[in-house]
Amino acid sequence: SQQGEEDPQALSIQEGENATMNCSYKTSINNLQWYRQNSGRGLVHLILIRSNEREKHSGRLRVTLDTSKKSSSLLITASRAADTASYFCATRQGAQKLVFGQGTRLTINP
Amino acid sequence: GAVVSQHPSWVICKSGTSVKIECRSLDFQATTMFWYRQFPKQSLMLMATSNEGSKATYEQGVEKDKFLINHASLTLSTLTVTSAHPEDSSFYICSATRSNTGELFFGEGSRLTVL
Repeated sequence: SQQGEEDPQALSIQEGENATMNCSYKTSINNLQWYRQNSGRGLVHLILIRSNEREKHSGRLRVTLDTSKKSSSLLITASRAADTASYFCATRQGAQKLVFGQGTRLTINP
Repeated sequence: GAVVSQHPSWVICKSGTSVKIECRSLDFQATTMFWYRQFPKQSLMLMATSNEGSKATYEQGVEKDKFLINHASLTLSTLTVTSAHPEDSSFYICSATRSNTGELFFGEGSRLTVL
């Protein structure tokens, strides 16, 4: 079964603004990952944060993880039109199986 | 970098026909591949785990006789949608785990439209 709920389900902001997406999960994790999907395309891995990490940065991306609340957030700073996509968090169940959250559809308006 | 290729990228078929989708790891060996289905504006739903040389493990609610999975080599897994119906129209995405590192790579997806 899918786990993980993300909010908002859809987010529309102006170019240059920051976009924050949240993800909650239900089971214990070793790590949590964020992926991006352009419309009708495959997934691109953005960042992985381990359960013993609280925050991680990669370029304009900032990810936080709160294992006590079983939640994570993805912040995209100084958004660009090219950031328009769907963003999913994902956690592993078992050794390899990756389970995705419901996703946030982000639209950056020029 | 590692690449996972899916073929075809899109297919349109008549109701009742069977469609085969291939997932290939192009420059690495993958003992495990995963098949996902994604409906419009929804998330990826895991259908099954495909293991090289053994039977696939299906998720609850996924009909194994309808979605046939074959993982005959370390670089190829196939998903066959048998007797496809319009409700099977969806975006099917595979992912492959690199055997020696455990890294996961996704294909570009295959869009199936059943008329």
